[in-house]
Amino acid sequence: QQQVKQSPQSLIVQKGGISIINCAYENTAFDYFPWYQQFPGKGPALLIAIRPDVSEKKEGRFTISFNKSAKQFSLHIMDSQPGDSATYFCAASLSLQGAQKLVFGQGTRLTINP
Amino acid sequence: DAGITQSPRHKVTETGTPVTLRCHQTENHRYMYWYRQDPGHGLRLIHYSYGVKDTDKGEVSDGYSVSRSKTEDFLLTLESATSSQTSVYFCAISEAGVYYGYTFGSGTRLTVV
Repeated sequence: QQQVKQSPQSLIVQKGGISIINCAYENTAFDYFPWYQQFPGKGPALLIAIRPDVSEKKEGRFTISFNKSAKQFSLHIMDSQPGDSATYFCAASLSLQGAQKLVFGQGTRLTINP
Repeated sequence: DAGITQSPRHKVTETGTPVTLRCHQTENHRYMYWYRQDPGHGLRLIHYSYGVKDTDKGEVSDGYSVSRSKTEDFLLTLESATSSQTSVYFCAISEAGVYYGYTFGSGTRLTVV
């Protein structure tokens, strides 16, 4: 019940296309759903996040769609660029003693072909 | 990342030896976390701290211990390293409140031979 399942494991998209990564969870106690972007040799960096009382959040070319009833959420990258090539992780947060305990998906390696 | 430093960046150690990884922050954040990253598993929480001397276990805590004697430092110790602990270890910090997200360090690549 603590798991977050992410798909696909890898994704190749042409420049200018739309990249879509999907995640699903079971635990309804999760209260925050961030996405992280990681480049080789670096730590993950917060990309965009959504609260469960919101169905969509858009920041520039990045959009999170959130379906609370289905317990699913997804990341859409519009007009994908070669610089977007990275590994993306979805996550879900549980609050414990005020800390955010993040449960991560398995990751998606995104490659944008020029 | 600015404000959070992990050391060492790389380490090779032998099976059975103790290893300590250090996370140092200059942000004065209350919450600190240790994760390990392995292919196919994403990042998994080892231990976290919600204040000086206040720590708790995560989902993969067996074989690891932590200490936090100062706000800025969070140490992860492998008491007796095993090959299954070969991984990339990330420290993260967060502010109080639910919706701030983590700031991660650059990671420590640990190889146990």
